[in-house]
Amino acid sequence: AQSVTQPDIHITVSEGASLELRCNYSYGATPYLFWYVQSPGQGLQLLLKYFSGDTLVQGIKGFEAEFKRSQSSFNLRKPSVHWSDAAEYFCAVGRNTDKLIFGTGTRLQVFP
Amino acid sequence: NAGVMQNPRHLVRRRGQEARLRCSPMKGHSHVYWYRQLPEEGLKFMVYLQKENIIDESGMPKERFSAEFPKEGPSILRIQQVVRGDSAAYFCASSPKTGPDTQYFGPGTRLTVL
Repeated sequence: AQSVTQPDIHITVSEGASLELRCNYSYGATPYLFWYVQSPGQGLQLLLKYFSGDTLVQGIKGFEAEFKRSQSSFNLRKPSVHWSDAAEYFCAVGRNTDKLIFGTGTRLQVFP
Repeated sequence: NAGVMQNPRHLVRRRGQEARLRCSPMKGHSHVYWYRQLPEEGLKFMVYLQKENIIDESGMPKERFSAEFPKEGPSILRIQQVVRGDSAAYFCASSPKTGPDTQYFGPGTRLTVL
């Protein structure tokens, strides 16, 4: 079955600390991988995506993610978190223009 | 280039009423997807449409829910005889005709059923 697992429901970090949000997937083929961010009461904004090629992808707002085929993972990282990064983060998988399958999200809280 | 537009942003209905949610895709996008986000959950796919065609409705509840994407005008998600369990945020996404590509999301419609 196709699924996305985000094992961390809630993460709290101090401003300036590094961040890693985990994402594991189960999919029949190598999927296209996405990370979206959702601020409270808002829609989803794309942070970055992986289709093929270099397994380390750079996104907006200083985020990056690494695709590891052997681990079926696509973890999101940021070297130094800002207070404005507090939001909910969703990992998603899909293929071509097929439907996206989302994880349940990780809520990030940032302390000053 | 305007983004994906959804209206209304907030909708309140009483049990048994109908809810109509509208989505205007980005210019040049002919693929529309609807997702539902229940409280404290991730987004769940509902339906995928192209102009005048339903391509995949595997995520749609069997009753009361319908969707369309006419040749002209926005895509409509229609919920008949709403129940409290329909309270959720409904997001529309669009993507270009040729893929693979990214789905761009609208701001969502938050439906509250009293």
